[in-house]
Amino acid sequence: SSELTQDPTVSVALGQTVKITCQGDNLRSNYASWYQQKPGQAPILVVYGKNNRPSGIPDRFSVSSSGNTASLTITGAQAEDEADYYCNSRDTSGDHVIFGGGTKLTVL
Amino acid sequence: EELLLESGGGLIQPGKSLRLSCAASGFTFSAYTMSWVRQAPGKGLEWVSAISGSGYNTYYADSVKGRFTVSRDNSKNTLSLHMTSLRADDSAIYYCAKPAEAFYYYYYYMHVWGKGATVTVSS
Repeated sequence: SSELTQDPTVSVALGQTVKITCQGDNLRSNYASWYQQKPGQAPILVVYGKNNRPSGIPDRFSVSSSGNTASLTITGAQAEDEADYYCNSRDTSGDHVIFGGGTKLTVL
Repeated sequence: EELLLESGGGLIQPGKSLRLSCAASGFTFSAYTMSWVRQAPGKGLEWVSAISGSGYNTYYADSVKGRFTVSRDNSKNTLSLHMTSLRADDSAIYYCAKPAEAFYYYYYYMHVWGKGATVTVSS
């Protein structure tokens, strides 16, 4: 098994850039995907793979990766970006999926 | 439009069984490995189970292995999760999810989510 570690809380000033990170050994060989979840709503996939955004996701969301760390960057954060963000990936066994603990993003 | 709609949630006593269903529409259901993900109140997301497009391969989180069974009926575009020996810590919103890509390896890119079914395990 393996795990993905995220900072519990991150804050950003309106219009500034913020990076949310996700660490795990399995990220050395697997891309992460990233989800936004607002209270009372189902998660939304915002970025997956090398740097793919589903239709309707603004291009201010992007990802990068280095070693065992995947990062979600929001360039020019908006008030509507305030939400919980989760990463996920395959675990080291290859057949299971794991989620990070989530990061609560506050836009000041 | 690709849609998923869960049903079957409710209040259930510890030790009892419950079956959740997920009705899919708007895409070729049999082409995708489908997943169940749950979220306990105030907690994060937890992957529960997945099943290949054919239904031949199934996968389970350690926390539910031996108690939960995932299945699908491709003729009815329906995904199911049969939960037995339920415990209080199984209380959660259960989501079904469809990946962004049909290639099995990337089934964790969960693109389409249902609204969820709430399961409460309590006496």
